[in-house]
Amino acid sequence: AQSVTQLGSHVSVSEGALVLLRCNYSSSVPPYLFWYVQYPNQGLQLLLKYTTGATLVKGINGFEAEFKKSETSFHLTKPSAHMSDAAEYFCAVSLNTNAGKSTFGDGTTLTVKP
Amino acid sequence: DVKVTQSSRYLVKRTGEKVFLECVQDMDHENMFWYRQDPGLGLRLIYFSYDVKMKEKGDIPEGYSVSREKKERFSLILESASTNQTSMYLCASSLSPAVIGYTFGSGTRLTVV
Repeated sequence: AQSVTQLGSHVSVSEGALVLLRCNYSSSVPPYLFWYVQYPNQGLQLLLKYTTGATLVKGINGFEAEFKKSETSFHLTKPSAHMSDAAEYFCAVSLNTNAGKSTFGDGTTLTVKP
Repeated sequence: DVKVTQSSRYLVKRTGEKVFLECVQDMDHENMFWYRQDPGLGLRLIYFSYDVKMKEKGDIPEGYSVSREKKERFSLILESASTNQTSMYLCASSLSPAVIGYTFGSGTRLTVV
């Protein structure tokens, strides 16, 4: 079984500031980890993923995340926030079993202040 | 690009009605999923399918059923709609969910009155 905890349901940053969205997972086997973004009234879009290999992964729109096995974390960062980054972000974990279905966190809403 | 199309963006139905939510993908994916999204609860898996005519219950299947008669189409059925099924419903598909991740549709916001 797997689970995901996103710390902080709401995060607010100023434009140009660092974005840090936290995600911790629980998994009995090596996980596959994902971040998705959802803009208002839209479906989710894949931002980035970790499967195997390099633990620092880069995604679209300047986001990146680092897989830290010892901390069971997969935090999402962006060096400089832009107004267009305002959205809801979901962390998800999958195992390579049971059709690979993903378990999602509760989501973090990112607000970017001018 | 893979497209996942949900037939309705907004639906309003009455309590007790039978409701069909349709989802079609155009990339020959074996795996398709239905989630519902509620504020503060994230996405919860209702049903998924890994092949035609195959279906598996997710975490919250009660009150729902699904149909997958063709590979590209995965339908979610609310047998008798209730107000607690008012939600955003998201369909997703994938060639290899664990490795590639999902492609989502735009969602159907269902209101049951």
